Amino acid sequence: DVKVTQSSRYLVKRTGEKVFLECVQDMDHENMFWYRQDPGLGLRLIYFSYDVKMKEKGDIPEGYSVSREKKERFSLILESASTNQTSMYLCASSMGGAVKPQHFGDGTRLSIL
Amino acid sequence: KNEVEQSPQNLTAQEGEFITINCSYSVGISALHWLQQHPGGGIVSLFMLSSGKKKHGRLIATINIQEKHSSLHITASHPRDSAVYICAVQRGGADGLTFGKGTHLIIQP
Repeated sequence: DVKVTQSSRYLVKRTGEKVFLECVQDMDHENMFWYRQDPGLGLRLIYFSYDVKMKEKGDIPEGYSVSREKKERFSLILESASTNQTSMYLCASSMGGAVKPQHFGDGTRLSIL
Repeated sequence: KNEVEQSPQNLTAQEGEFITINCSYSVGISALHWLQQHPGGGIVSLFMLSSGKKKHGRLIATINIQEKHSSLHITASHPRDSAVYICAVQRGGADGLTFGKGTHLIIQP
């Protein structure tokens, strides 16, 4: 079974801090994704990556950056956390090539105070 | 207008009823996904469709590419089916998903 592991289930940080959210998958998937989920807005794509060191902006990349130095790890970085980045963050991965199902982590509920 | 529209937003039904959730989209896609999210956040992929119909147990998903419409059906619904069901579309293989707002389903015993 595919396992997508997010480093923290709950995280509390302060405004202005640099925040790292880590995601690791164990199935050698080429594609990895970061989404955020907010009440009334649903899930939205922040960034994705189709290969090591490659990254593409999603629908709401402002205020975020990503890093993919190794195939199994995809990090989401909040450069200077703000209260409007309080949200549930979900990582997902999928095999490369033609469209494939995405496998999701359990999510990180991030609160910025 | 959202690219992916789901209906209904909320649905409460009695155990055993036949359930239908609808999804319409307005963009060209390579695949449509149906996802299930239980309280606590975990998301599970139920189906990925490019055409036609798929069945898994009591769940059936259909897609009409020309109409840009998909439906998720649950037969003989059970309280354990209570969850949020989310429709999402994908343009290409490495692309992220664009999601509907979800349907909150409650099945009462």
